[in-house]
Amino acid sequence: AQSVTQLDSQVPVFEEAPVELRCNYSSSVSVYLFWYVQYPNQGLQLLLKYLSGSTLVKGINGFEAEFNKSQTSFHLRKPSVHISDTAEYFCAVSDPGAGSYQLTFGKGTKLSVIP
Amino acid sequence: EAQVTQNPRYLITVTGKKLTVTCSQNMNHEYMSWYRQDPGLGLRQIYYSMNVEVTDKGDVPEGYKVSRKEKRNFPLILESPSPNQTSLYFCATRRDRGVAEYFGPGTRLTVT
Repeated sequence: AQSVTQLDSQVPVFEEAPVELRCNYSSSVSVYLFWYVQYPNQGLQLLLKYLSGSTLVKGINGFEAEFNKSQTSFHLRKPSVHISDTAEYFCAVSDPGAGSYQLTFGKGTKLSVIP
Repeated sequence: EAQVTQNPRYLITVTGKKLTVTCSQNMNHEYMSWYRQDPGLGLRQIYYSMNVEVTDKGDVPEGYKVSRKEKRNFPLILESPSPNQTSLYFCATRRDRGVAEYFGPGTRLTVT
């Protein structure tokens, strides 16, 4: 079974500074990778996804992520954060070769943007 | 508008009193699932369904039941709730493997 490790449970960063949220997954076989964001008291919404092709994926709100197969990583980055980016971010993985559509989530990283 | 609805949004109940949380989607998706979210543990899948009458266990199915009698609805049943089932529950639906999973707004359940 797949597993996902988000290396930082909390990341404080000053407004307009860059940020990287780290994500590693367990398997080196073909995978689909996702980042979701959860704003306070809301459900999850998709930020970006990697299915195949270019290893640099761009998402909404200026976020991007880079798929690194050799390091089994899918780190999320933003060059300049805003107060409105304060939220919890979840990395998720699924196995396209498996019979089910099951999605496995990491434990989340809380991003706090400091004015 | 694509929607996943859950009811109720908030529920406080007592140990052992059966309850059902409903989930409905209007996107005609075959795949639906239930997650629970707990602080520091992220989202863990309880059950999922790949189509009508097809359900399977996720990572934490103990104490829960589901049914999928029609494509749009996927209720979560707690026959004898216990305090360790106090959590935030999300229903989700997806059209296919590689696309976004749409999440409902969540149901906050407290079992005393």
